[in-house]
This record gives sequence, C-alpha cells and structure tokens, in this order.
Amino acid sequence: RKEVEQDPGPFNVPEGATVAFNCTYSNSASQSFFWYRQDCRKEPKLLMSVYSSGNEDGRFTAQLNRASQYISLLIRDSKLSDSATYLCVVLPTDSWGKLQFGAGTQVVVTP
Amino acid sequence: GAVVSQHPSRVICKSGTSVKIECRSLDFQATTMFWYRQFPKQSLMLMATSNEGSKATYEQGVEKDKFLINHASLTLSTLTVTSAHPEDSSFYICSASRTGVDGQPQHFGDGTRLSIL
Repeated sequence: RKEVEQDPGPFNVPEGATVAFNCTYSNSASQSFFWYRQDCRKEPKLLMSVYSSGNEDGRFTAQLNRASQYISLLIRDSKLSDSATYLCVVLPTDSWGKLQFGAGTQVVVTP
Repeated sequence: GAVVSQHPSRVICKSGTSVKIECRSLDFQATTMFWYRQFPKQSLMLMATSNEGSKATYEQGVEKDKFLINHASLTLSTLTVTSAHPEDSSFYICSASRTGVDGQPQHFGDGTRLSIL
C-alpha cells in the first residue's frame, strides 16, 4: 500500500464550477500536511498548508480528518489557471524532514 | 517568502559526461536539503537527503557513487550526476525548508531537466 494515495483523475471541471478531491495517508503519526500544485514540466509550488481545524485561502479550502487519515482540497469558482496536478504531501513525525508524496490529482478546467 | 534557486534549468549532454546541479536557499539557512527525481507522469522520488557538513543519506536503490552530493554551506547543496547515461535523463528537483523550524513546508527549486544523448 502506498503511503499517500490520491485519485489520479483527471477531474474535468467546467470553468466556474467547484471541484473537490481527497488524499489518504497511512502513517498515523504524520504531523504536517500540505497541498502543492505542479504544472506540466515545472517544480511543485506550495498551495497551502493544511491545519487540523481546516483552513481556507481564497477559493481553496483544505480539510484534515485525522481519525480517518485523509485530507481534502476543494476549489471553488474554478479558473482556467487552476488546471494543474495537485500533490498531497505529508510530513511524518520523526521523518527528519522527509516528505511523503501522493502521485497527484490532475485537474483540467475547461471553458 | 522563502526561495530556493536551482541551476542549471536545462542540460543536454553526451553520454559519459558528468553534470553538476546547484541548489541554493536564497533567503534562509537550510542544514538539510533534499534531492528528488521525477520521471514523466510519475511522482517525485526522493533520492537523498543532503546534510550540511556531513555525508548525504541516500535512499535505497540510489547509487551514492553515481549521484555525488556536497552540502558545503548552509545555503548550497550540489548534486553531481557522474558519467551520465541516457537512463539518467530525468527532471531533478531540490527542496529545502528553514533550519530549526518544525513543520515548515519545503520549497522547491525550479528543477533541472537533464537529457543525456
């Protein structure tokens, strides 16, 4: 079983619609969680950290469910520029900074 | 915000050449940096952890003599792909986070696209 699992998609989303997807992680001792976005042939860029109480950054909302060991990302009012691969990233406790990556969820926003 | 710079961004060279990639943290110190490799349509794969002032820690299956890592200062780590072959062609990315700040997100360099002919 992979340490971090994501639905690879693609999620085809009409412009202006809402899209949400989850990520599950296997290490219950994980301490920090992040969503990164990666555009084709580019490096990952931090989208947002995920906090226990859930957090929002503009059109993006992240949730963490420690009991079920999953995090989610919701994108409202999708823009064409939101088309990317979204990486779920987990930092386990005592991992010496080694991140665990999901394979990414591809989102394609269409006009 | 934190910025990590990676150079060069693109390398095309002949088989047998050694290629050096630099990773710099521009406005913070990083005792630890990470080197990843990513093949098309695949997830990032951690190759090694670069430790300032000491030997790098390599992940299983990564040849330390093939991928030489030097972390000589708190802001610079280098990865040298020695005697590169076509199968080493990949996207190499480094990352770093602020020293001593637990739970801080890592920031990635721009990546180096390596093509070995």
